[in-house]
This record gives sequence, C-alpha cells and structure tokens, in this order.
Amino acid sequence: KAGVTQTPRYLIKTRGQQVTLSCSPISGHRSVSWYQQTPGQGLQFLFEYFSETQRNKGNFPGRFSGRQFSNSRSEMNVSTLELGDSALYLCASSSGTSDHNEQFFGPGTRLTVL
Amino acid sequence: GIQVEQSPPDLILQEGANSTLRCNFSDSVNNLQWFHQNPWGQLINLFYIPSGTKQNGRLSATTVATERYSLLYISSSQTTDSGVYFCAVPGGNYQLIWGAGTKLIIKP
Repeated sequence: KAGVTQTPRYLIKTRGQQVTLSCSPISGHRSVSWYQQTPGQGLQFLFEYFSETQRNKGNFPGRFSGRQFSNSRSEMNVSTLELGDSALYLCASSSGTSDHNEQFFGPGTRLTVL
Repeated sequence: GIQVEQSPPDLILQEGANSTLRCNFSDSVNNLQWFHQNPWGQLINLFYIPSGTKQNGRLSATTVATERYSLLYISSSQTTDSGVYFCAVPGGNYQLIWGAGTKLIIKP
C-alpha cells in the first residue's frame, strides 16, 4: 500500500506571494490533517478534513486555508506569505472514523519564505 | 487542554548503549503514538500504544494509562537511531497534541 505523498517537497517563495501544497492520503483513508512544524513552536495543528468537510481548525490566521476533494486528496493554501510562515508542513492520513485513529504522515513540504 | 511533556530534551549516547525516553500527559487518553523524525523531516510511526507494552525489534514501548505516562526503550543503539522522538496524544476534535520531542544523538 502506498504511503502518504506530499508535493512539492521544497518550495521557495517571497513575501506576499501565495502557495498551494498538496497531500494524497493512504488509499482508503478519508481523513487528512495538516500540521506546521517550526523550531520555535514545534508541531502545531492547522486543520483536519474528512469527506470534504473541515471538522476542526487550529489557531491560525485566515491566510491559511484548505480543502479536500472527493478522492480524499487535500490541498492547503497560504496567501500573502510572511517570513514566519517558513516551516515544514506535514500532512497526516487516517481512517477518520474516530478521534483516536492511528495517524500516518507524509514526508512534508519544506517552505522557505524570503 | 491536555498537555504533553517529554524528557529528556536531549540525549547523547555511544553506539550500543540503551536508552529510555519518557512521555507524560496531563489527562486520560484513548491513544498514544510514538514517532521518530529523521534528519529529512519524515515522521515515522513507531508505536500506537494506548496501554500495555509493545515490542518491535530493538524498540519497545510501555504506556501506563492510569499513571499518565509512556516510555520508549531503545536497546543497542545504532547511529541510524539518531533523530527526534515525539509522542503525541489525541487532543479532541481529531487533532494530535505533541510533546516537544527528545533529540537523540548516537555517536559511532
């Protein structure tokens, strides 16, 4: 079974631009979660989607948004990039049937904002 | 909300040594996961262990849910074990709450 895939793996953008990251979950999984990892703040929850519906959103500004498609693939978008958005963005896949399903992570997208 | 604390924050060992990493959590949980983050950032699932003991090769984990802690044991460390080890628990509403991690360096 293929694992979680994320594209692109690396991105370099400048302040003010926008970026879209993609995540494809494990086949059969319907839940995708997104996390931001920075050296100072650790792993922070962004949002979770299940069957195209956002079930939870973390404490991030509205510049961070996401969506999920009918095939469970998910995208997250960050608009008007700031230097502080430089981070590793990780997505996680699970069956989504309960709050405590095991989660599996993709390799991450490393975003650098200049 | 639930809080997760990991100790020690850093650990430097010689190859072949054994180590114990600890994860404390502030409330009862239905699940606990241990991950290894390699130098490239990939989070690798080690254990899904809400309670009891599990073993996988040189690694084992024990969660004592009633006392709100989990331990990760690494025996006969190898340089490839280097990286950051995280524990995470469900924080409600389909999100994981993470510890700050233990950075492990194994010297040859």
